[in-house]
Amino acid sequence: DVKVTQSSRYLVKRTGEKVFLECVQDMDHENMFWYRQDPGLGLRLIYFSYDVKMKEKGDIPEGYSVSREKKERFSLILESASTNQTSMYLCASSTQNSYEQYFGPGTRLTVT
Amino acid sequence: AQTVTQSQPEMSVQEAETVTLSCTYDTSENNYYLFWYKQPPSRQMILVIRQEAYKQQNATENRFSVNFQKAAKSFSLKISDSQLGDTAMYFCAFMKRNTGNQFYFGTGTSLTVIP
Repeated sequence: DVKVTQSSRYLVKRTGEKVFLECVQDMDHENMFWYRQDPGLGLRLIYFSYDVKMKEKGDIPEGYSVSREKKERFSLILESASTNQTSMYLCASSTQNSYEQYFGPGTRLTVT
Repeated sequence: AQTVTQSQPEMSVQEAETVTLSCTYDTSENNYYLFWYKQPPSRQMILVIRQEAYKQQNATENRFSVNFQKAAKSFSLKISDSQLGDTAMYFCAFMKRNTGNQFYFGTGTSLTVIP
């Protein structure tokens, strides 16, 4: 079975802190994605990566950056956390040919 | 840009009954894929069913089936013999084949199965 893991289930940070969210997949998938999920807004794509060191902006990249130094790991970085970044963050991965995305359990981030 | 619309924020169904969740999408693409994902309370998002746009036959997976109307850009999910474990948030998603295979998700429908 494909496994996508995220470093924390719950995280509380203060405004202005630098925050790292880590995602690891164990199935050698080319594509990895970061979404944020908010009530009434569904899932919105922040960034995605289709190869090591490659990244593409999604629909809401402002205030975020990403890093993919190894194929299995995709990190989301909040350079200076703000209260409007309080949300559920979901990581997903997929191969280029299977089309199905496999999701991690999510990280619920609260910025106070 | 692709948009996916789920017009039913919340729905409920009696156990063992049938329920249909609606989804419409907007695209100028001809070759694409459509998905329904399920997110149970406090649990991981999982794939329910997938439909390739070039296939006319509607996809089915056990109690789950879709009604795919390509011309109308409609992709509804029917759940038969509803079970308590079907209680979840359901998301409709669109994907066109390209680098990275980006998904576009709807806003979700919260389904409650009533015992």
